Amino acid sequence: QSALTQPASVSGSPGQSITVSCTGTSSDVGGYNLVSWYQQHPGKAPQLMIYDVTYRPSGVSNRFSGSKSGNTASLTISGLQAEDEADYYCSSYTSSSTYVFGTGTKVTVL
Amino acid sequence: EVQLVQSGAEVKKPGESLKISCKGSGYRFTTNWIGWVRQMPGKGLEWMGIIFPSDSDTRYSPSFQGQVTISADKSISTAYLQWSSLEASDTAMYFCALPTGLLGRFWGQGTLVTVSS
Repeated sequence: QSALTQPASVSGSPGQSITVSCTGTSSDVGGYNLVSWYQQHPGKAPQLMIYDVTYRPSGVSNRFSGSKSGNTASLTISGLQAEDEADYYCSSYTSSSTYVFGTGTKVTVL
Repeated sequence: EVQLVQSGAEVKKPGESLKISCKGSGYRFTTNWIGWVRQMPGKGLEWMGIIFPSDSDTRYSPSFQGQVTISADKSISTAYLQWSSLEASDTAMYFCALPTGLLGRFWGQGTLVTVSS
Protein backbone atom coordinates (compact mmCIF):
# COMPACT_ATOMS: atom_id res chain seq x y z
CA GLN A 1 0.00 0.00 0.00
CA SER A 2 1.28 3.47 -0.80
CA ALA A 3 1.29 6.49 1.46
CA LEU A 4 -1.72 8.74 1.11
CA THR A 5 -1.00 11.85 -0.95
CA GLN A 6 -0.85 15.24 0.76
CA PRO A 7 0.48 18.55 -0.53
CA ALA A 8 4.02 19.16 0.69
CA SER A 9 3.17 22.61 1.99
CA VAL A 10 0.24 24.93 2.58
CA SER A 11 0.48 28.48 3.84
CA GLY A 12 -1.85 31.24 4.94
CA SER A 13 -1.95 34.52 6.79
CA PRO A 14 -3.20 34.83 10.36
CA GLY A 15 -6.99 34.71 10.45
CA GLN A 16 -7.34 33.01 7.09
CA SER A 17 -8.66 29.51 6.47
CA ILE A 18 -6.61 26.78 4.84
CA THR A 19 -7.42 23.25 3.74
CA VAL A 20 -5.06 20.27 3.65
CA SER A 21 -6.09 17.41 1.38
CA CYS A 22 -5.37 13.70 1.77
CA THR A 23 -5.96 11.53 -1.28
CA GLY A 24 -6.07 7.76 -1.17
CA THR A 25 -8.06 5.02 -2.83
CA SER A 26 -11.24 3.05 -2.32
CA SER A 27 -9.12 0.60 -0.32
CA ASP A 28 -8.35 3.13 2.37
CA VAL A 29 -9.75 6.67 2.59
CA GLY A 30 -12.71 6.00 0.33
CA GLY A 31 -13.63 2.68 1.87
CA TYR A 32 -13.85 3.55 5.55
CA ASN A 33 -14.83 6.48 7.76
CA LEU A 34 -11.64 5.90 9.72
CA VAL A 35 -9.47 8.87 8.81
CA SER A 36 -7.54 10.71 11.48
CA TRP A 37 -5.47 13.87 11.37
CA TYR A 38 -2.37 14.52 13.47
CA GLN A 39 -0.43 17.69 14.20
CA GLN A 40 3.29 17.41 14.92
CA HIS A 41 5.55 20.16 16.16
CA PRO A 42 9.32 19.67 15.80
CA GLY A 43 10.74 17.23 18.28
CA LYS A 44 7.32 16.31 19.67
CA ALA A 45 5.03 13.32 19.44
CA PRO A 46 2.06 13.73 17.10
CA GLN A 47 -1.18 15.06 18.53
CA LEU A 48 -4.61 13.85 17.40
CA MET A 49 -6.68 16.67 15.91
CA ILE A 50 -9.52 14.81 14.14
CA TYR A 51 -10.64 11.18 14.24
CA ASP A 52 -13.19 9.14 12.31
CA VAL A 53 -13.19 11.81 9.57
CA THR A 54 -15.10 14.54 11.41
CA TYR A 55 -14.80 14.12 15.16
CA ARG A 56 -12.71 16.44 17.28
CA PRO A 57 -11.24 15.33 20.63
CA SER A 58 -12.01 17.48 23.60
CA GLY A 59 -9.38 20.15 24.06
CA VAL A 60 -8.77 20.57 20.34
CA SER A 61 -9.82 23.97 19.05
CA ASN A 62 -13.05 24.09 17.07
CA ARG A 63 -11.05 25.92 14.41
CA PHE A 64 -10.06 22.46 13.21
CA SER A 65 -12.57 20.46 11.18
CA GLY A 66 -12.49 17.37 8.99
CA SER A 67 -14.46 16.10 6.01
CA LYS A 68 -14.32 13.49 3.28
CA SER A 69 -15.53 13.18 -0.29
CA GLY A 70 -14.86 10.01 -2.18
CA ASN A 71 -11.21 9.04 -1.86
CA THR A 72 -10.11 12.43 -0.51
CA ALA A 73 -10.23 13.59 3.09
CA SER A 74 -9.63 17.19 4.10
CA LEU A 75 -8.56 19.09 7.19
CA THR A 76 -9.63 22.71 7.41
CA ILE A 77 -8.05 25.16 9.82
CA SER A 78 -10.05 28.35 10.17
CA GLY A 79 -8.84 31.54 11.82
CA LEU A 80 -5.23 30.49 11.29
CA GLN A 81 -2.94 31.25 14.23
CA ALA A 82 0.83 31.24 14.64
CA GLU A 83 0.60 28.20 16.91
CA ASP A 84 -0.94 26.20 14.05
CA GLU A 85 2.39 26.19 12.22
CA ALA A 86 3.39 22.52 12.25
CA ASP A 87 3.42 19.35 10.19
CA TYR A 88 0.09 17.64 9.61
CA TYR A 89 -0.48 13.99 8.73
CA CYS A 90 -3.60 12.10 7.78
CA SER A 91 -3.98 8.43 8.59
CA SER A 92 -6.48 5.89 7.32
CA TYR A 93 -7.48 2.31 8.03
CA THR A 94 -6.95 0.08 5.00
CA SER A 95 -8.46 -3.02 3.43
CA SER A 96 -5.32 -4.89 4.53
CA SER A 97 -6.43 -4.33 8.13
CA THR A 98 -3.50 -2.00 8.71
CA TYR A 99 -3.13 1.76 8.79
CA VAL A 100 -1.34 4.12 6.41
CA PHE A 101 -0.19 7.72 6.90
CA GLY A 102 -0.18 10.50 4.42
CA THR A 103 3.02 12.03 3.09
CA GLY A 104 2.68 14.98 5.44
CA THR A 105 2.01 18.70 4.94
CA LYS A 106 3.99 21.58 6.38
CA VAL A 107 1.62 24.38 7.34
CA THR A 108 3.24 27.80 7.42
CA VAL A 109 1.65 30.89 8.92
CA LEU A 110 2.86 33.87 6.94
CA GLU B 1 -5.13 8.40 32.88
CA VAL B 2 -4.03 6.58 29.76
CA GLN B 3 -0.26 6.38 29.36
CA LEU B 4 2.13 4.72 26.96
CA VAL B 5 5.66 4.69 28.34
CA GLN B 6 8.49 3.61 26.07
CA SER B 7 11.94 2.32 26.84
CA GLY B 8 14.94 4.61 26.55
CA ALA B 9 17.17 5.61 23.67
CA GLU B 10 19.46 2.99 22.18
CA VAL B 11 22.79 3.17 20.36
CA LYS B 12 23.65 0.01 18.47
CA LYS B 13 26.08 -1.27 15.85
CA PRO B 14 24.99 -2.71 12.49
CA GLY B 15 24.16 -6.38 12.76
CA GLU B 16 23.15 -6.20 16.43
CA SER B 17 19.72 -7.17 17.68
CA LEU B 18 17.35 -4.91 19.60
CA LYS B 19 13.99 -5.06 21.36
CA ILE B 20 12.26 -1.87 22.50
CA SER B 21 9.14 -1.71 24.64
CA CYS B 22 5.98 0.25 25.26
CA LYS B 23 4.03 -0.19 28.50
CA GLY B 24 0.37 0.76 28.50
CA SER B 25 -1.69 1.76 31.50
CA GLY B 26 -5.00 3.41 32.32
CA TYR B 27 -6.99 1.54 29.69
CA ARG B 28 -7.88 -2.03 28.71
CA PHE B 29 -4.56 -3.08 27.15
CA THR B 30 -5.66 -6.52 25.97
CA THR B 31 -8.65 -5.45 23.88
CA ASN B 32 -7.25 -2.46 22.01
CA TRP B 33 -4.96 -2.53 19.00
CA ILE B 34 -1.57 -0.94 19.61
CA GLY B 35 0.89 -0.05 16.89
CA TRP B 36 4.41 1.13 16.11
CA VAL B 37 5.29 4.17 14.02
CA ARG B 38 8.66 4.99 12.49
CA GLN B 39 9.92 8.50 11.84
CA MET B 40 13.28 8.69 10.14
CA PRO B 41 15.30 11.89 10.63
CA GLY B 42 13.56 14.79 8.90
CA LYS B 43 10.94 12.49 7.37
CA GLY B 44 7.27 11.63 7.80
CA LEU B 45 5.36 9.14 9.90
CA GLU B 46 5.04 5.50 8.84
CA TRP B 47 2.82 2.86 10.41
CA MET B 48 4.95 -0.27 10.83
CA GLY B 49 2.29 -2.60 12.15
CA ILE B 50 -0.30 -3.22 14.82
CA ILE B 51 -1.02 -5.96 17.32
CA PHE B 52 -4.11 -7.03 19.28
CA PRO B 53 -2.65 -8.10 22.63
CA SER B 54 -5.50 -10.40 23.59
CA ASP B 55 -4.59 -12.98 20.94
CA SER B 56 -1.39 -11.44 19.48
CA ASP B 57 -3.04 -11.02 16.08
CA THR B 58 -0.41 -8.94 14.25
CA ARG B 59 -0.71 -6.98 11.02
CA TYR B 60 2.39 -5.59 9.32
CA SER B 61 2.52 -2.82 6.77
CA PRO B 62 4.04 -4.27 3.58
CA SER B 63 7.26 -2.25 3.86
CA PHE B 64 8.01 -3.72 7.27
CA GLN B 65 6.86 -7.32 6.83
CA GLY B 66 9.85 -9.57 7.52
CA GLN B 67 12.00 -6.64 8.67
CA VAL B 68 10.78 -6.38 12.26
CA THR B 69 8.78 -8.38 14.79
CA ILE B 70 5.95 -6.90 16.81
CA SER B 71 4.86 -8.74 19.94
CA ALA B 72 3.02 -8.16 23.19
CA ASP B 73 2.99 -9.56 26.72
CA LYS B 74 -0.53 -8.99 28.00
CA SER B 75 0.43 -10.09 31.51
CA ILE B 76 2.50 -6.91 31.88
CA SER B 77 0.60 -4.71 29.40
CA THR B 78 3.66 -4.23 27.23
CA ALA B 79 4.15 -4.19 23.48
CA TYR B 80 7.51 -4.76 21.80
CA LEU B 81 9.28 -3.95 18.55
CA GLN B 82 12.22 -6.16 17.70
CA TRP B 83 15.03 -6.33 15.14
CA SER B 84 17.26 -9.36 14.65
CA SER B 85 19.96 -7.54 12.67
CA LEU B 86 19.98 -3.76 12.65
CA GLU B 87 21.07 -1.65 9.72
CA ALA B 88 22.12 1.99 9.60
CA SER B 89 18.85 2.72 7.82
CA ASP B 90 16.96 1.67 10.98
CA THR B 91 18.16 4.88 12.65
CA ALA B 92 14.93 6.66 13.54
CA MET B 93 12.51 7.70 16.25
CA TYR B 94 10.00 4.97 17.01
CA PHE B 95 6.65 5.72 18.61
CA CYS B 96 4.01 3.38 19.96
CA ALA B 97 0.44 4.57 19.56
CA LEU B 98 -3.18 3.48 19.78
CA PRO B 99 -4.49 3.71 16.21
CA THR B 100 -8.24 3.55 16.70
CA GLY B 101 -10.52 6.52 16.95
CA LEU B 102 -10.32 8.73 20.01
CA LEU B 103 -7.58 6.52 21.48
CA GLY B 104 -5.34 8.06 18.82
CA ARG B 105 -4.79 10.82 21.41
CA PHE B 106 -2.36 8.52 23.17
CA TRP B 107 1.20 8.14 21.98
CA GLY B 108 4.38 7.04 23.67
CA GLN B 109 7.13 9.58 24.14
CA GLY B 110 9.25 7.98 21.44
CA THR B 111 12.40 5.85 21.49
CA LEU B 112 15.38 7.09 19.48
CA VAL B 113 17.32 4.24 17.91
CA THR B 114 20.73 5.09 16.48
CA VAL B 115 22.60 2.48 14.46
CA SER B 116 26.20 3.38 13.73
CA SER B 117 29.50 1.61 13.42
